[in-house]
Amino acid sequence: AQSVTQLGSHVSVSEGALVLLRCNYSSSVPPYLFWYVQYPNQGLQLLLKYTTGATLVKGINGFEAEFKKSETSFHLTKPSAHMSDAAEYFCAVTRSGGYQKVTFGTGTKLQVIP
Amino acid sequence: DADVTQTPRNRITKTGKRIMLECSQTKGHDRMYWYRQDPGLGLRLIYYSFDVKDINKGEISDGYSVSRQAQAKFSLSLESAIPNQTALYFCATSGGQGLRETQYFGPGTRLLVL
Repeated sequence: AQSVTQLGSHVSVSEGALVLLRCNYSSSVPPYLFWYVQYPNQGLQLLLKYTTGATLVKGINGFEAEFKKSETSFHLTKPSAHMSDAAEYFCAVTRSGGYQKVTFGTGTKLQVIP
Repeated sequence: DADVTQTPRNRITKTGKRIMLECSQTKGHDRMYWYRQDPGLGLRLIYYSFDVKDINKGEISDGYSVSRQAQAKFSLSLESAIPNQTALYFCATSGGQGLRETQYFGPGTRLLVL
């Protein structure tokens, strides 16, 4: 079985501050991990994904995430928050490349305060 | 123009009515998916299709049916809608080989069952 846990359903940061969204996963085999962003009234958009290789993954819009096997974590970070980053973020995991097997987290809403 | 479109974007219906949600894509992908999103629950897979003749149940298929009319079209039906099917519904496609496979989401259909 596989699962993801996103710590904090709501996170608030000031504009220009560090963004840290936490995700822990559970998987019996090496996982593939994803972060998606959902802007209001839009579908999910892939931010970044980890499959194999380098554990620090860079995505779009200045976001990055680091796969830490020892901590079973895949936290999403951005050095400086922008107002346009306000959205809901989903972490997801799968044990293979097939998207039909992806398990999504419950989401974290990011609020950016001016 | 959007690569994955969904119609309608919003729908209000009554308990017991049959409704259909439609999805079209211009990405040329064989794989298509239907998800529902509920607050605090993330996305859950309803059905998926790897090509016109290959349709599979997902995690929560009870009460739903699908039709893959063509490579580009994948419709979701609620035969007899009930209030707990009130949710945000997303269609998605995926394409690419192996680790390069990427998923693309439509903008969603917000359904309210009274």
